[in-house]
Amino acid sequence: GAVVSQHPSWVICKSGTSVKIECRSLDFQATTMFWYRQFPKQSLMLMATSNEGSKATYEQGVEKDKFLINHASLTLSTLTVTSAHPEDSSFYICSASFGPYGYTFGSGTRLTVV
Amino acid sequence: DAKTTQPPSMDCAEGRAANLPCNHSTISGNEYVYWYRQIHSQGPQYIIHGLKNNETNEMASLIITEDRKSSTLILPHATLRDTAVYYCIVSSRTGANNLFFGTGTRLTVIP
Repeated sequence: GAVVSQHPSWVICKSGTSVKIECRSLDFQATTMFWYRQFPKQSLMLMATSNEGSKATYEQGVEKDKFLINHASLTLSTLTVTSAHPEDSSFYICSASFGPYGYTFGSGTRLTVV
Repeated sequence: DAKTTQPPSMDCAEGRAANLPCNHSTISGNEYVYWYRQIHSQGPQYIIHGLKNNETNEMASLIITEDRKSSTLILPHATLRDTAVYYCIVSSRTGANNLFFGTGTRLTVIP
């Protein structure tokens, strides 16, 4: 149980376009989801906390107008990278909180901006 | 949330026990110790967690010192598929707080 499905697993887009990444909790309701970014050979860095029905909370240094987060239902959160540039190329991972183990993670999305 | 300190890398022979240490000297009374691992290009995978008692599941054992300032994750019989980055995280289990990932330990299981 407690599976988070993340799509797509990889995406290549042209510079200046927007990309949407979906994160779904398949067998539980997630009032809170988290979005992380991971650059090569680095650890996961929290970008934002997504709360169902309210605005996301962004970490310092993360542009909220560039990384749009929508958490419209208890099973779906989306991250849209707007006007993507090559420096946005990264591995994006979502996670959701549940009990008793705490947190489960999606399989990640590899974004390459060309 | 309390920070953790882990060795950057370790090697382990296949079939042997892998013992991964973690220091969390500033852990507070309501914080749990979580262990996750990340295999290359995948999302982190939950391994085990504990508060103060030792824990064991089908994947690993977690040994927490009596003062809770350090812990050890034990993989009893390491296989090549256990090669991954292992993260030790301490966090209060409220569900609303994110998990803070340090640099972790890169475990390499050697044939």
